[in-house]
Amino acid sequence: DAGVTQSPTHLIKTRGQQVTLRCSPISGHKSVSWYQQVLGQGPQFIFQYYEKEERGRGNFPDRFSARQFPNYSSELNVNALLLGDSALYLCASTPWGADNSPLHFGNGTRLTVT
Amino acid sequence: AQSVTQLGSHVSVSEGALVLLRCNYSSSVPPYLFWYVQYPNQGLQLLLKYTSAATLVKGINGFEAEFKKSETSFHLTKPSAHMSDAAEYFCAVSGRRGSNYKLTFGKGTLLTVNP
Repeated sequence: DAGVTQSPTHLIKTRGQQVTLRCSPISGHKSVSWYQQVLGQGPQFIFQYYEKEERGRGNFPDRFSARQFPNYSSELNVNALLLGDSALYLCASTPWGADNSPLHFGNGTRLTVT
Repeated sequence: AQSVTQLGSHVSVSEGALVLLRCNYSSSVPPYLFWYVQYPNQGLQLLLKYTSAATLVKGINGFEAEFKKSETSFHLTKPSAHMSDAAEYFCAVSGRRGSNYKLTFGKGTLLTVNP
């Protein structure tokens, strides 16, 4: 089975631009989460989505938004990019439930803002 | 609120030596704890997880960790390091039972294995 897939793998944008990152979860996984990993730091939680609804949001500005589609894939959008948005953006999927199934991460999208 | 502190941003060991990566957590509710490994230019791979069953948890690649509530610790160990273990390791806590949507990660420990 394919793992979590993210596209693109690398992206270079200019300050002020907008970017869309894409994620396809593992087949059968209905929940998708997004994390931001700045160089030298651990990942930080941005969003979780389940059944197209936002189920959790981290401490990120409103420039960050996301959505989930009926096929459970997801997009993360970042508007008005800042230099500080340069990071590895990780998507993770999990079955929804009470068993604390671990997150399965994709390889990420490396965003560079110049 | 939950937080994780990983002691030592960089640990260097010789091949065949004991690996010990330290993690202390803070959680206002009974925690679920995880160790992930990240190889260069890759995402995170789960090594092991503690979810309130046995306090000694065995994971993949010969790693194990012990949950010690009295010390609020969840240190990762491996008896004998291999060159392929060189990577960055992250400890994480999930602070809410029945929902794993938010993991709080430590800053990571870079493990170097010397021949």
